[in-house]
Amino acid sequence: DIQLTQSPSFLSASVGDRVTITCRASQGISSYLAWYQQKPGKAPKLLIYAASTLQSGVPSRFSGSGSGTEFTLTISSLQPEDFATYYCQQLNSYLLTFGGGTKVEIK
Amino acid sequence: EVQLVQSGAEVKKPGESLKISCKGSGYSFTSYWIGWVRQMPGKGLEWMGIIYPGDSDTRYSPSFQGQVTISADKSISTAYLQWSSLKASDTAMYYCAASGGSFVFDYWGQGTLVTVSS
Repeated sequence: DIQLTQSPSFLSASVGDRVTITCRASQGISSYLAWYQQKPGKAPKLLIYAASTLQSGVPSRFSGSGSGTEFTLTISSLQPEDFATYYCQQLNSYLLTFGGGTKVEIK
Repeated sequence: EVQLVQSGAEVKKPGESLKISCKGSGYSFTSYWIGWVRQMPGKGLEWMGIIYPGDSDTRYSPSFQGQVTISADKSISTAYLQWSSLKASDTAMYYCAASGGSFVFDYWGQGTLVTVSS
């Protein structure tokens, strides 16, 4: 199975900060990576797919980059509604896997 | 509007069986993969398996193979996740999610909370 390691697992930041979350794959997955946001008590929401394509309706302050084994999710200016947990997911094989998650909290 | 509506919360005893459902609407049910994702209390997301209702092609995570059964009834646009013998460790929120392609989960159900306790 392809393992995904997210870092950091916890992040404390202020409104307006630039935030970067990393997702590393145990083997190359080309650009077959998606990012999701989950707020407490809610289902996850797709933010980015194909490593860097923004899902329709997602604010442009979110961006994704990377290929192969290293990927990043960047929030250019953190907003109050962005405090949530973020997960990466690899789509390279039908044995889909999620990263462990990164919780973004208010400093 | 695409919607996935899951069945309600369940409270079961260890050893009991259970089947939860996920009804799709607003799209061609047979053209999207439906996946199931577990989230144990306070933990992350775990992919369990996925089914293509068009031909019932089903794939499981090795961690869940043999532990659950995924099925779908395309005549009523509904996917299912079932257990034959629940354990306390099956206590979790279970989400269904639809993928229009490349196994990206575009749409999610609201979740079904399963509690297994004696």
